[in-house]
Amino acid sequence: AQSVTQLDSQVPVFEEAPVELRCNYSSSVSVYLFWYVQYPNQGLQLLLKYLSGSTLVKGINGFEAEFNKSQTSFHLRKPSVHISDTAEYFCAVSDQGAQKLVFGQGTRLTINP
Amino acid sequence: IAGITQAPTSQILAAGRRMTLRCTQDMRHNAMYWYRQDLGLGLRLIHYSNTAGTTGKGEVPDGYSVSRANTDDFPLTLASAVPSQTSVYFCASSDSGSSGANVLTFGAGSRLTVL
Repeated sequence: AQSVTQLDSQVPVFEEAPVELRCNYSSSVSVYLFWYVQYPNQGLQLLLKYLSGSTLVKGINGFEAEFNKSQTSFHLRKPSVHISDTAEYFCAVSDQGAQKLVFGQGTRLTINP
Repeated sequence: IAGITQAPTSQILAAGRRMTLRCTQDMRHNAMYWYRQDLGLGLRLIHYSNTAGTTGKGEVPDGYSVSRANTDDFPLTLASAVPSQTSVYFCASSDSGSSGANVLTFGAGSRLTVL
């Protein structure tokens, strides 16, 4: 069965600093990987996804993530964060060909001025 | 605007009462899902439907039921609410398209408090 672990429940950073949100997954088959963002009092929005091809994927708002198969990781990065990036971020995985998506516990990103 | 509509936005409910959370999508997506979001636990799948007329159990189905009479609607029913069902509920839909990947579109959520 799949599982997703987001290693940090909260990440505080200063504005314009770089940030990395960590995500590890377990699965016995090939996977699709996703990052979703949830702004306060809203639903989840797709930030980026890895389906195949290049292991470095770029998403909206300047975020990118790198798929590392050997380490079963899909860490999310941004070189310079803004106050508007304050949100909860969820990593998710699905087996290729499967309909169900499994989410991590979420990481709350707080940007301090 | 195309998307998912959930109702109600928020509800306070007495324990033992029956409650139905409504979800409607206008994107003609085949698959629909109900998740609950709880602090520290992320999103957990309650029930899903791959296509109209079929449903399946997710990770935490107990105490919940769903139906999928048509493509657009996927209501979630709590037959007899308990305080542990206090949560934020998200409906989602997906259409795997040519890639085969399951990209979900979410509704804005329904906040349910059971007293």
